[in-house]
Amino acid sequence: EPEVTQTPSHQVTQMGQEVILRCVPISNHLYFYWYRQILGQKVEFLVSFYNNEISEKSEIFDDQFSVERPDGSNFTLKIRSTKLEDSAMYFCASREGLGPSYEQYFGPGTRLTVT
Amino acid sequence: AQSVAQPEDQVNVAEGNPLTVKCTYSVSGNPYLFWYVQYPNRGLQFLLKYITGDNLVKGSYGFEAEFNKSQTSFHLKKPSALVSDSALYFCAVRDPKSGAGSYQLTFGKGTKLSVIP
Repeated sequence: EPEVTQTPSHQVTQMGQEVILRCVPISNHLYFYWYRQILGQKVEFLVSFYNNEISEKSEIFDDQFSVERPDGSNFTLKIRSTKLEDSAMYFCASREGLGPSYEQYFGPGTRLTVT
Repeated sequence: AQSVAQPEDQVNVAEGNPLTVKCTYSVSGNPYLFWYVQYPNRGLQFLLKYITGDNLVKGSYGFEAEFNKSQTSFHLKKPSALVSDSALYFCAVRDPKSGAGSYQLTFGKGTKLSVIP
């Protein structure tokens, strides 16, 4: 069964450094998402992406964040200057179509630790 | 704005007993509702969804959920719990009136289910 993959599984970085989290969505999916989950808290929406542009973003997704689909397979989340509060599990998700019958498929997540 | 509440941080149930994980929601229109499960060190796995139609929805691993519009609830149920069901369960809602082209999910804070042998 096809699945969403994410790399790395765990990333440790120092405050102020840039990080790039990578995702490979399911190949025929058209809609892509990033969510994050701070330890012990709920999963929060960050951004959605369709047709090579952001379709919606949350308040969390400020100027420090950016997303890109550099080729036909990868979908990346970049944090330009990490802060301690960026420490969280980051989940990528993809969706085949827009209609309500299409659920989102999530990757296993990247645990980001900012020290 | 849409929201989801999972009133229980943890649910303990004996193996073989029925289980219920509660979820209530708030949206401006008719909701699309989802349950996901998260096993340790794993991503979120889709269990089931309610879009329209029959209020009782059947999903993966023997789970089902009942949509109750008057009580704005979407409780997850299973007739006979297994130890392997122990995990973190998330209820999520998609407000069909928000963000066309996005369909992002709003999640509850999760309920830890522990099935005791």
